[in-house]
Amino acid sequence: DVKVTQSSRYLVKRTGEKVFLECVQDMDHENMFWYRQDPGLGLRLIYFSYDVKMKEKGDIPEGYSVSREKKERFSLILESASTNQTSMYLCASRAKYNEQFFGPGTRLTVL
Amino acid sequence: AQRVTQPEKLLSVFKGAPVELKCNYSYSGSPELFWYVQYSRQRLQLLLRHISRESIKGFTADLNKGETSFHLKKPFAQEEDSAMYYCALSDIQGGSEKLVFGKGMKLTVNP
Repeated sequence: DVKVTQSSRYLVKRTGEKVFLECVQDMDHENMFWYRQDPGLGLRLIYFSYDVKMKEKGDIPEGYSVSREKKERFSLILESASTNQTSMYLCASRAKYNEQFFGPGTRLTVL
Repeated sequence: AQRVTQPEKLLSVFKGAPVELKCNYSYSGSPELFWYVQYSRQRLQLLLRHISRESIKGFTADLNKGETSFHLKKPFAQEEDSAMYYCALSDIQGGSEKLVFGKGMKLTVNP
């Protein structure tokens, strides 16, 4: 079974804090993704990576950055958290042209 | 631009009734389409993809290129089908590949 794990299920941070969300996959997938999931807005792609040290902006990259130093790990960074970044964050990984597997999600609340 | 539209946000039916979850897309190439499902407190997972032409949990979806649609159907809904359903399109451009999701639809199957 493919496993995509995320470092936290729930996270509460204060406005202005730097936040790190970690994602690890164990199936040697080339592609990894970060989405945010909001009611009525569906899944919106923040960033994705198709190889180590490679990254591409998704639809809503503003206020976020990412890091992929190792193939199995893809980190999402909120440089200065704001209340409008309160959301469910989903990580996913995918072998090329294959099924995409999702992590359990991190519910981030920014106060 | 690549886009996936799920025109209805909510659908409520009684057990045993037929269901159809609508999905329309716009894509300039040859599309690859998916349905993903998220049951309560579970992670998002693949339900079916059009190239496999399978029936999963009684659900089927047919790609209609003329109508640019990929509607999900089940003749007799069950209570356990209650979930969020997302239609998605694989977008391959410039050598990188990502999924474009619709906004999702909540299906409730009442006893």
